[in-house]
This record gives sequence, structure tokens and C-alpha cells, in this order.
Amino acid sequence: GAVVSQHPSRVICKSGTSVKIECRSLDFQATTMFWYRQFPKQSLMLMATSNEGSKATYEQGVEKDKFLINHASLTLSTLTVTSAHPEDSSFYICSASQGAYEQYFGPGTRLTVT
Amino acid sequence: AQTVTQSQPEMSVQEAETVTLSCTYDTSESDYYLFWYKQPPSRQMILVIRQEAYKQQNATENRFSVNFQKAAKSFSLKISDSQLGDAAMYFCAYRGLQGAQKLVFGQGTRLTINP
Repeated sequence: GAVVSQHPSRVICKSGTSVKIECRSLDFQATTMFWYRQFPKQSLMLMATSNEGSKATYEQGVEKDKFLINHASLTLSTLTVTSAHPEDSSFYICSASQGAYEQYFGPGTRLTVT
Repeated sequence: AQTVTQSQPEMSVQEAETVTLSCTYDTSESDYYLFWYKQPPSRQMILVIRQEAYKQQNATENRFSVNFQKAAKSFSLKISDSQLGDAAMYFCAYRGLQGAQKLVFGQGTRLTINP
């Protein structure tokens, strides 16, 4: 089956610094990638949708200058949390789609901002 | 906008028994996809089953089956012969065919399996 990886799986950073999370489709080309945020015991909240080579589309209420998304190739998308603060601590999940009905999910990244 | 509602925050079932998780959704589209995802403690999202709205036949995957009622906008998941490994959060999700094809998730149901 289609495999999506995320790196790192866990990251701790200091308040005010930036952190980058990578999402890779390992065995297929992803025309679209999605970034979600999940708070403890809650559902997944879509942050943005990115298509290769074009700007990401952010959901309402998501700060595009804070959460920078780059989809530079058909197998790689990155999410950079800029000037991170403790309230940005969360579980971030990416998914990738080839354009059919199914999204393949990465294992997630736990971000802790101290 | 589409919405997905899971009205059961928690459910529990005895091992080997059958349990049904409820999901309702709201949409004005006539064609779409519906999914059930499982999220175990590892937090890896796993696709359990999918249903295309144009198909009248309910989807089945081994011990997992759905009851898709299009007119009622209901999409329940039945797990037969429950196993300890079925313990997880279960999310119902909707995906339209137009636009960005985003997944809209329900709030989730935490399923506990009692040995």
C-alpha cells in the first residue's frame, strides 16, 4: 500500500524558534497533500491543502504567515511553524493523495514548544 | 458546508460481541465518499472502510461493515466479533467530489473492548 512518512516524529523547541516538519510520499506521487492538527482527545482539524508547485490553500482561522507550507515536489511537502509558542504545541498529521478518493496518512509529529 | 456528527463520544463492547458506531452527515451534494478511519494509541490513521454514495450496496471489509442510508444521511459502522486490537478512536469522514476534495471528520468515538 501507499506509504507516507513524517519527520521528525517528535520535536521539542524553544519558544520563538521555528521548526520544520517534513511529509514524504514514499512510493507514489502525491498531487495533493494535506496538513492537519490534532489536539488531545479531539478530531483532526484541517489546516491547509497544498498542490505541487502552487501556493497552499489555508483554512479559515489558520495563520499562513505562521504555518508556512511548501510543496516543492510530488513527493515532499513541508510545514514550518515560525516563531513557535507553547500554544502551538500539538500533534501534526499530514496526508497525501494521488487525486483519487483516498488520502494516505503519515504517522504524525508531536510538537512541544517550551 | 458539509458537517459530520458522531454522537457517541465513547462506546464499549465485550470481546467477541458486535458493536455499532453511529455517524450522520449533512451535505447538499449528490455524489461523495464516506469513510471510517481508526486511530489506535499510536495515532496512525488507518482506513477501515469506504463507501461511494452512488453505490446502494453497503461496503464490507471482513469483520467491518457499514449501514449506509443515503436519504437519512446516516453511515454507521458495525464491528463484528470484536477483538482487543479494535480498541481505538474511530472517525467518520466525508469527502466531496468537487473542489479541494478535503476530508471532513466527525468528532470521533472512543471504542473500548472489554476482555
